Amino acid sequence: AQSVTQLGSHVSVSEGALVLLRCNYSSSVPPYLFWYVQYPNQGLQLLLKYTSAATLVKGINGFEAEFKKSETSFHLTKPSAHMSDAAEYFCAVSGRNNNDMRFGAGTRLTVKP
Amino acid sequence: DGGITQSPKYLFRKEGQNVTLSCEQNLNHDAMYWYRQDPGQGLRLIYYSQIVNDFQKGDIAEGYSVSREKKESFPLTVTSAQKNPTAFYLCASSIGYLTEAFFGQGTRLTVV
Repeated sequence: AQSVTQLGSHVSVSEGALVLLRCNYSSSVPPYLFWYVQYPNQGLQLLLKYTSAATLVKGINGFEAEFKKSETSFHLTKPSAHMSDAAEYFCAVSGRNNNDMRFGAGTRLTVKP
Repeated sequence: DGGITQSPKYLFRKEGQNVTLSCEQNLNHDAMYWYRQDPGQGLRLIYYSQIVNDFQKGDIAEGYSVSREKKESFPLTVTSAQKNPTAFYLCASSIGYLTEAFFGQGTRLTVV
């Protein structure tokens, strides 16, 4: 079965600083990986996805993530944080069936002015 | 606009009562899902359905029931057997396997 681990339940950065949110996965088959963002009391919105094409994936709002098979990682980055990036971020992994989509516990990003 | 609609956004019920959460999608997606979200635990899968008139249990199905009589609708009933029903419930849909899920805005259920 697939699983993901998000390192750090809370990350705080200053506006304009680099954002790095960590995600490691476990999967017995080549995974599909996703990052979602959630604003308070709302549903999840897809930021980006890895589906075995390019290992560097670009998403919305300036975010990107790199798939590293050797490290079983799929960390999310953004060069310069904006106040509007403050939200909770979820990493998810899916195997051969979407019903196996598993989510991490989430990382809450705070952006300080 | 296409999307997923969950209703109501907030729901209050007395302990011991069954309650049904609505989820409707007009994306023509085959697959639909219900997740439960609790602080610090991410999303946990309750039930999923890959096709009309068929559904499977997820990781935490006890105390919940679903139906899938129409492609666009996947209601979730929280029964009195659910020990701790207060949570944020999210419905999602996808075209099929290996594709991303689209989420509704969620229903926050509080049982008093």
